Amino acid sequence: AQTVTQSQPEMSVQEAETVTLSCTYDTSENNYYLFWYKQPPSRQMILVIRQEAYKQQNATENRFSVNFQKAAKSFSLKISDSQLGDTAMYFCAFMKYDKIIFGKGTRLHILP
Amino acid sequence: DGGITQSPKYLFRKEGQNVTLSCEQNLNHDAMYWYRQDPGQGLRLIYYSQIVNDFQKGDIAEGYSVSREKKESFPLTVTSAQKNPTAFYLCASSIVEGAGYTFGSGTRLTVV
Repeated sequence: AQTVTQSQPEMSVQEAETVTLSCTYDTSENNYYLFWYKQPPSRQMILVIRQEAYKQQNATENRFSVNFQKAAKSFSLKISDSQLGDTAMYFCAFMKYDKIIFGKGTRLHILP
Repeated sequence: DGGITQSPKYLFRKEGQNVTLSCEQNLNHDAMYWYRQDPGQGLRLIYYSQIVNDFQKGDIAEGYSVSREKKESFPLTVTSAQKNPTAFYLCASSIVEGAGYTFGSGTRLTVV
């Protein structure tokens, strides 16, 4: 069974700094998808970034980028120039066959 | 605008009562999902459905039931057999594998 582990339950960084959230996963599959979701205080789940395992190139979305290391089964999220609106829970997620497994989340605080 | 509507936003239930959470989508997505979110636990899959009139148990299906009579609707019933139903419930849908989920805004269920 696939598992997703986020080793940092909570983090705080100053506004405008860069922060990296860690995620590792366990699977025997070769083709799959990985995601980072953001859940702000409103509790609405928002897709931040998506990575296809068969693509070596790391995905980027504006200030958000990932470091995907397939052999190490690692999928970290980097947030550059962090903003107060980035304060949220961040969930790493693994998808195979239409079913997503989520990590337990990292609570990120951006400090003014 | 297309999206997923969950209702009600807040729900209170007396012990021993069944209660049904509504989830409706107008995205024409085939697959729909129910997740439960508890503090420190991330999101755990309750039930999912990939086609009308068919659904599968997730990791924590005990004490819950679902139906999928229409493509647009996937209601979740929390039965009296669920030992600890107080939680935040999220409904999601997906069009194809790898696309990720679109989430509803959630229902907060409290047992009183």
